Amino acid sequence: GAGVSQSPSNKVTEKGKDVELRCDPISGHTALYWYRQSLGQGLEFLIYFQGNSAPDKSGLPSDRFSAERTGGSVSTLTIQRTQQEDSAVYLCASSWGQGELFFGEGSRLTVL
Amino acid sequence: SQKIEQNSEALNIQEGKTATLTCNYTNYSPAYLQWYRQDPGRGPVFLLLIRENEKEKRKERLKVTFDTTLKQSLFHITASQPADSATYLCALEGGDKIIFGKGTRLHILP
Repeated sequence: GAGVSQSPSNKVTEKGKDVELRCDPISGHTALYWYRQSLGQGLEFLIYFQGNSAPDKSGLPSDRFSAERTGGSVSTLTIQRTQQEDSAVYLCASSWGQGELFFGEGSRLTVL
Repeated sequence: SQKIEQNSEALNIQEGKTATLTCNYTNYSPAYLQWYRQDPGRGPVFLLLIRENEKEKRKERLKVTFDTTLKQSLFHITASQPADSATYLCALEGGDKIIFGKGTRLHILP
């Protein structure tokens, strides 16, 4: 499809396990964002990639969280040693640089 | 500290009336501000963008104002309909990245 694609849509894991969440942005978009949304809350900024620049990682809540973007396209958000407080919807968005963000439908993570 | 505040968590408006949502910010100087709509279980969808040199922007029944002196944006939905019920998020450019407010849940009552 032409939109932002995220996988998996749902992930249930046990505390202490590692998880990887994937985002396929819209082709040609240079900017890619990851946000976290806890139940009933707003969007918490996690990380921002823009072209070939170093990513802005200022929103990552701990060193258990990391993200990479390969070839300026697909991005993977990795959470190591998951904790129950990591349970949330993780949203990916892409854009041409500035302006309108196009969001995926999110990956819902549940840590038991 | 930097903050983006949307005036209320939830707002109930009678169908046909104008809904007005507020977004206030502190310690940002955004070049532009955006509004998004989010339905339950879905990702946010872009509605409108207004730049710092624009006072007002309209799109169909939607109107956004941006006052950089007051550090405030107002989002209006005229002739509101039950289908307008959703969460509305304010977002601004803060240091190159886009930062969101917590959103306002709007309920249009039939």
